[in-house]
Amino acid sequence: EIVLTQSPGTLSLSPGERATLSCRASQSVSSSYLAWYQQKPGQAPRLLIYGASSRATGIPDRFSGSGSGTDFTLTISRLEPEDFAVYYCQQYGSSLLSPFGQGTRLEIK
Amino acid sequence: EVQLVESGGGLVQPGGSLRLSCAASGFTFSSYWMHWVRQAPGKGLVWVSRINSDGSSTSYADSVKGRFTISRDNAKNTLYLQMNSLRAEDTAVYYCARLGRGCDYWGQGTLVTVSS
Repeated sequence: EIVLTQSPGTLSLSPGERATLSCRASQSVSSSYLAWYQQKPGQAPRLLIYGASSRATGIPDRFSGSGSGTDFTLTISRLEPEDFAVYYCQQYGSSLLSPFGQGTRLEIK
Repeated sequence: EVQLVESGGGLVQPGGSLRLSCAASGFTFSSYWMHWVRQAPGKGLVWVSRINSDGSSTSYADSVKGRFTISRDNAKNTLYLQMNSLRAEDTAVYYCARLGRGCDYWGQGTLVTVSS
């Protein structure tokens, strides 16, 4: 069973700064099936990145994903006020299980 | 417009049962795998179960295996989650999600509270 570990648990930054979020898998994950989601309070999650590096429809280009194997990264190049939220990674696809990481809370410094 | 609308949540006693539904519209439901994901109050997202497009293959998180059953009715464009032997730790908002390239569409969630 794959376990996804996200770091840091909380990231405190200011608008305009660059955010780097990490997702590490306990075993190799196909890059084709690694996704990132954003969730704001009281809302359903929103897909940001699929296939480790492809932006979902309507997602601004300040969001980018990278990585392969066991290490994946979500980068937000210049934080906007609306980007402060909780971010999750997920392994999906045809394997049996589709776990999420525990989340990274991005808060305003 | 793609829409997923969950229903069936509510208050249930420990050991009880509940069936959640997820009504899909705006896309060819029978072509997509579907997932259930839950979120306990103030906690993170937890994957629960998934089903393939024709319902012939399912999988479950260890925490619900043997107690929950995912199913679908492609004629009714509806996804289900039958939850039996409910425990306090099953208290959560339950979301259904469409698996496209990632879980690209989500419902608004339905709250299940397990308490005496």
